[in-house]
Amino acid sequence: QSALTQPASVSGSPGQSITISCTGTSSDVGGYNYVSWYQQHPGKAPKLMIYEVSNRPSGVSNRFSGSKSGNTASLTISGLRGEDEADYYCNSYTSSSTGVVFGGGTKLTVL
Amino acid sequence: QVQLQESGPGLVKPSQTLSLTCIVSGGSISSGNYYWSWIRQPPGRGLEWIGYIYPSGSTYYKSSLKSRVSISVDTSKNQFSLKLRSVTAADTAVYYCAREGGDCSSNSCFGHYGMDVWGQGTTVTVSS
Repeated sequence: QSALTQPASVSGSPGQSITISCTGTSSDVGGYNYVSWYQQHPGKAPKLMIYEVSNRPSGVSNRFSGSKSGNTASLTISGLRGEDEADYYCNSYTSSSTGVVFGGGTKLTVL
Repeated sequence: QVQLQESGPGLVKPSQTLSLTCIVSGGSISSGNYYWSWIRQPPGRGLEWIGYIYPSGSTYYKSSLKSRVSISVDTSKNQFSLKLRSVTAADTAVYYCAREGGDCSSNSCFGHYGMDVWGQGTTVTVSS
């Protein structure tokens, strides 16, 4: 199965909002509401930020939100902070292997 | 709370088998409603799902790795394992184990509610 498509990098200034897109197909993102998003700081394990497209786990800031339209899911981070600078990965269930697939990752730079 | 810890050799020779174990503490691996997954990350690159196993023992693997990979569970030791055969330098990566929520019955699981618990990762280098 092919990786989901994410922009390689995005950037924003403190206090601004940014959106990261994640494009798949009707066999994954478009066909199921099983999209999750992960934050990974250098040298650390990924952390779950969003699951089932738009749900936040307990303890995750409400500055993080998720949505989906067609075959594209999106992660929006509002009120950017320096600590948000990290790599972000989307993930979706895929019927092509009855497994899951990750996006290629997006590096967020807070200017 | 549940914690995961990967263990295994940090160096594997080409053509040999990579074997890793993920020890689950703070909860039972048999408690149900979870997929137990392996994910890897080559140096400087993104995350790659390898496969998972769920309570019934059913396994699913990434298509391109299916011929070389196997995941098993040992409920008596509360751990699950990864074996990757015939490794090459391309298999050099940080390997993570993770837990993902689902809705599981005795025979199957449905739903994917995010990988909420991860191990710290273990670096495996394939080199002679």
